[in-house]
Amino acid sequence: GQQLNQSPQSMFIQEGEDVSMNCTSSSIFNTWLWYKQDPGEGPVLLIALYKAGELTSNGRLTAQFGITRKDSFLNISASIPSDVGIYFCAGQLLLTSYDKVIFGPGTSLSVIP
Amino acid sequence: DTGVSQNPRHKITKRGQNVTFRCDPISEHNRLYWYRQTLGQGPEFLTYFQNEAQLEKSRLLSDRFSAERPKGSFSTLEIQRTEQGDSAMYLCASSLLSGSEAFFGQGTRLTVV
Repeated sequence: GQQLNQSPQSMFIQEGEDVSMNCTSSSIFNTWLWYKQDPGEGPVLLIALYKAGELTSNGRLTAQFGITRKDSFLNISASIPSDVGIYFCAGQLLLTSYDKVIFGPGTSLSVIP
Repeated sequence: DTGVSQNPRHKITKRGQNVTFRCDPISEHNRLYWYRQTLGQGPEFLTYFQNEAQLEKSRLLSDRFSAERPKGSFSTLEIQRTEQGDSAMYLCASSLLSGSEAFFGQGTRLTVV
């Protein structure tokens, strides 16, 4: 079945540093989504990507939909303590009645003040 | 707040008991999804509804699990004869229509003792 891999599994960075994380898939997706999850909470959508090659920004976050449609990356610039959390990539395959979201295992981000 | 609402937030139950969770999606959303998330993993798809119709069920959804969305609005997820392996965060999400972003609730944390 469809499977997503995320790297790195975890990151420890200094406040102010830039962060980059990747997501790869064994299958093609039509949509890539990036979510952030805080402990004990549900995932919160950060960025949605709809076209191969698309580059989208949301404040300090930038994400790209890979040309092959099998990968995506997320960059966070000038990290701050509230960026701490688990970042999930998710792929969505748009068919007529079947478009469940498949999640990766997550990248845990820790920011050292 | 017009986001996805889940109740209860936490549930502790004895093995063998039945439990039921409720999800109230964003009001105009016609798609509703249930996911299960265990520690250190991304959310795993369980089932989803379009309006009141249950369109897909994952093989993760054993016979002890049943979900309903009787009027196409709120949904319930029932687990019968709970087992310790059912301990997880159960997440609900909703989306407006096929291909649009899914928004998650805060989840129900189930602990089976």
